[in-house]
This record gives sequence, structure tokens and C-alpha cells, in this order.
Amino acid sequence: SQKIEQNSEALNIQEGKTATLTCNYTNYSPAYLQWYRQDPGRGPVFLLLIRENEKEKRKERLKVTFDTTLKQSLFHITASQPADSATYLCALSISGGYNKLIFGAGTRLAVHP
Amino acid sequence: DGGITQSPKYLFRKEGQNVTLSCEQNLNHDAMYWYRQDPGQGLRLIYYSQIVNDFQKGDIAEGYSVSREKKESFPLTVTSAQKNPTAFYLCASTLDRGSTYEQYFGPGTRLTVT
Repeated sequence: SQKIEQNSEALNIQEGKTATLTCNYTNYSPAYLQWYRQDPGRGPVFLLLIRENEKEKRKERLKVTFDTTLKQSLFHITASQPADSATYLCALSISGGYNKLIFGAGTRLAVHP
Repeated sequence: DGGITQSPKYLFRKEGQNVTLSCEQNLNHDAMYWYRQDPGQGLRLIYYSQIVNDFQKGDIAEGYSVSREKKESFPLTVTSAQKNPTAFYLCASTLDRGSTYEQYFGPGTRLTVT
């Protein structure tokens, strides 16, 4: 069956450290992958998109890698801050004639001062 | 400011009643989507619309209905046929149906049915 897995347990890290979140998938061949941030009780906000032919993408303190052989994406936040505390969702783009995204359940990140 | 608005933020209904959730966008986006989010699960697609007067079922359309009479508006009706309607509902839009565009989400409506 097709699955997207993100760590269900919360990730707790100390301020200033690098947070690394994992997104694994099976039985999909996504054209690209997106990461979103979601704060409690609010809608997700787009962060980064990486295509299947890209190994790495950066935006300020954020970095995403995409390994189509391992079927895995890693999402890094360097020099993390308490304001980075949120749930982070990965989403796979599945081709099919429209912009369909398959979302993972998300990983909650807590950055402690 | 451009964006997506959803109303109300919280909605309470009795079992057996239909309820309509509002979604409006002023981004001039062609495509709009409705998702449902339950604790511990990813967002699941209910319905989507790529153009006015056209919409398609998503993965969990049973018990839901939509309309797209205007580009800006994509209301979702949760009918009494939906077995487990209590959830957080999210509306989203993209510039067009092309696959390279990120989705913009509204603030969500939390529906509680008792």
C-alpha cells in the first residue's frame, strides 16, 4: 500500500541546535515534494518545494533534501529558535492532471530556550 | 491583503443537520480544494475544483457536497450522511492546476457534531 511516514513523536531540541525531520514514503513516485508548517488551530503555510531531479534546496535557515532512491526527504532547520516550534508536514505531488498533494501526518517540533 | 478566509472558525451542530462551511479567496486562483484533518492523520482531500462550475471528488467525498458558482467561492456542505463529521476542515487554493504551485490554506473551521 502507499504510505507517507513522518515521526509521530514530537522532536524536542535545544535552541541553537539543528532540527532534522524525516519524511519517508513507499509506493509513490512523486514529481516533487513540499514542506509546510502548521501552528495549532491554523492552516498550513508553504515553506519549500523540491523537485525529483534536485538533491537539495535551501531557504534562509531551512534546507530540504530529496533522495528518490531511498524514498526519503529530510528537512533541516539550522540555528533553531523557540519560534520554530510547530508541526511540519511533508506532502508529495502525485501526477494525475491536477495539483494533487498527499500529506503526511506531520511531526511536532518543540524548540526549548 | 490577499488570502483565503473561512468562516466560522468554530461550528457546532446537532447530528442529522446539514451544515455549510464557507471558503472565499481573493488571490485570483483557479483551483480550490477542501481537506479534512483529524488528529494523527494527514490532510485528506474531500473535493477539488479547477475551474468555475466544475469540481471533482477527492479521496473521501462521501457525505459531502460542494459548489463552485464563482471563482472566489467554494463552499462545502457536510450532510447528515457523513458518518463522522467532527473534524478540522481546511480550504486551500493554487494559482492553477499546474503541479508546481504551492497551496495556500485558509485558517480552518473546526466542526463539532454532537
